[in-house]
Amino acid sequence: QKEVEQNSGPLSVPEGAIASLNCTYSDRGSQSFFWYRQYSGKSPELIMSIYSNGDKEDGRFTAQLNKASQYVSLLIRDSQPSDSATYLCAVGGSSGSARQLTFGSGTQLTVLP
Amino acid sequence: SAVISQKPSRDICQRGTSLTIQCQVDSQVTMMFWYRQQPGQSLTLIATANQGSEATYESGFVIDKFPISRPNLTFSTLTVSNMSPEDSSIYLCSVEEWGALFFGSGTQLSVL
Repeated sequence: QKEVEQNSGPLSVPEGAIASLNCTYSDRGSQSFFWYRQYSGKSPELIMSIYSNGDKEDGRFTAQLNKASQYVSLLIRDSQPSDSATYLCAVGGSSGSARQLTFGSGTQLTVLP
Repeated sequence: SAVISQKPSRDICQRGTSLTIQCQVDSQVTMMFWYRQQPGQSLTLIATANQGSEATYESGFVIDKFPISRPNLTFSTLTVSNMSPEDSSIYLCSVEEWGALFFGSGTQLSVL
C-alpha cells in the first residue's frame, strides 16, 4: 500500500518567518508530486506541483523534491496569517494518472501575527 | 483550470435517508473523481466516474451505497444511500488537468 506521511502539526511560525513542511512517500516509482492548501471548511486548492529533483519556486512558495530520499517539502517564505491552513501533500503513481494520487493526512500551519 | 460547481454545499440528513450530490464542470472531461474527507482526515477516493460506463469503485466502497451517474462529459452525481452517522463527511468531486486534481467546493454532510 502506498503511503504518504506528513507531520500533522500543528506547526506555528511567526509572521514573516519561513514555514517548512515535509512529506515522505513509500512508492519509489512515483513521478508527480503536489502540494494543496485547504482552509478550514473549504476544499483543497492546488498551490504547487513538482516532477523532477531539485527546487521549484513560485512566488513565496518553493517546492523541493529528492527522489533518492523519497521526500518532498514545501517552503513558505515571509509567512502571512493568511497562510494559516492545512497543507496536503499528494503523490502520484508511476502511471501519472490522477486516480493514483495518494494524499497525506496534512500539516496544520498557523502563522502568528 | 476548470470551474467545478458542486451542490448542495451542505446538508443535515436523517439516518436511513439518501442524498444526491451534483457536480457540474464548465468543460468536457473524461473522468470525474469522487472523494470523501472524514473529520480530521485526509482525502479518500470513492470512485472514478467515466461517461458511458459504470463507475470504478475503490476498495471499501460499493455501488449500492454510493451509486454514481455520469450522463455526459460535464456532469456527475454521487448518491449517499441509507445514511448513518458514519457517513458524516465532506464529499468532493474533482477533475484532472495536467496530472493534478482540481476540486469542487465540496458538500459537507451531517447525518443525525
